[in-house]
Order: sequence, then structure tokens, then C-alpha cells
Amino acid sequence: SAVISQKPSRDICQRGTSLTIQCQVDSQVTMMFWYRQQPGQSLTLIATANQGSEATYESGFVIDKFPISRPNLTFSTLTVSNMSPEDSSIYLCSVGETATYYGYTFGSGTRLTVV
Amino acid sequence: DQQVKQNSPSLSVQEGRISILNCDYTNSMFDYFLWYKKYPAEGPTFLISISSIKDKNEDGRFTVFLNKSAKHLSLHIVPSQPGDSAVYFCAASLYNTDKLIFGTGTRLQVFP
Repeated sequence: SAVISQKPSRDICQRGTSLTIQCQVDSQVTMMFWYRQQPGQSLTLIATANQGSEATYESGFVIDKFPISRPNLTFSTLTVSNMSPEDSSIYLCSVGETATYYGYTFGSGTRLTVV
Repeated sequence: DQQVKQNSPSLSVQEGRISILNCDYTNSMFDYFLWYKKYPAEGPTFLISISSIKDKNEDGRFTVFLNKSAKHLSLHIVPSQPGDSAVYFCAASLYNTDKLIFGTGTRLQVFP
């Protein structure tokens, strides 16, 4: 399976600022996703990162708040904009070819704390 | 609306005994179900999956059972080992999409 490097692993940010999270994969992958895990909660899909085009966002998530780039088949970024304490979560990159069989591979996550 | 539910937030099992983790779902359009294991400070790792056309899949100490009529699946770990202590997430794939929808997780603790 693919190996994912996700950076940064953690950060503490001031409210009102933005943070960009990077997801680098060691091989070309078809599907790339960004998830959020709020404290004590499930993994919630933010968006599907589409190569060379705008990301597809899930209900409750908007591009202005979570802009996503995917310039090629091995790299994507998620920006958390104008942060508030409610954005404190673990953000995870996930990649793979299909949701079935072996599912997707996850990065180790970015633990974000907004103060 | 939580389409995939894990009603037990935690489970404690003695080493060597069986661990049974449960998951319920509401959407009949799910066509694949997966279990992930997550250790602290790591991303979830794939454990085992089952197609909606099957009722059982086994891989070593791990077996997943699917009861479509009850919209219920379970993960059996036998024998349980201390290294199995982690949070387990049930996930479901929606037919004709590439998305995985996750449950809230169950924290398993295996004690000696």
C-alpha cells in the first residue's frame, strides 16, 4: 500500500490565522481525501481532492474555509482558514484506488489546536 | 444523521478471550464494510473487510460477520492480545461512490 507523509504532525495556532497541511504520497494514487476527527468523534469526510480541478466538498464544508489543492497524483494540501477554537481537531489525509477490498490508506494525521 | 453507529464506546477483555466489536448501519446502499484499527498519534490502519454479498470473512485471528437483514456487523478477535488494544472503527462504502463513512469507534483494552 501507499506510504503517506503528512506534515505538520501537530501545531498550535492563534485564532484568525490559517494553517496549510501537506500530504505527500510515495506513488501515484487515484483517490485522495481529507478527513477531520474532532475530539471523541468519528472521522468525518471533508472533501475529495481532485487532481487539476476543484475539490468536491461534503455537506457542511466549504471551499472558503477549507481550500484544497491537488496539483498532481502524489500531492495535496488542505488549508484551514480563519481558524477558531472549534477547528481544533485531527486532520487526516487518505489515499487509495477503491473504497472496497483494502480500503484507503491514512496518513498519521495533523493534530491542530487553536487558541 | 449517523449512518454508521458503534454503540459501545469502550470494551475491556482479558488476554486470550474473544473480543466482539459491534457496528450498526442504516443505509441499505452500503456495498462494502471495513474495519480499521487506530493507535494513538497514528492514522487508522485497515484490518479486514467484507462485501455485502457475503456473511463472513476471516483473516487469521480476525473474523467479520455481516447480518444484512439486521443491518449489523461484528468483528471478532480471538484470541485477544494486549497489542490489540486500540480504537476500532467500522466503515462503510456507499454503492457507486468512492466514499467511506465511519462509525464513532470503540476503544478496546486487552488486559493480561
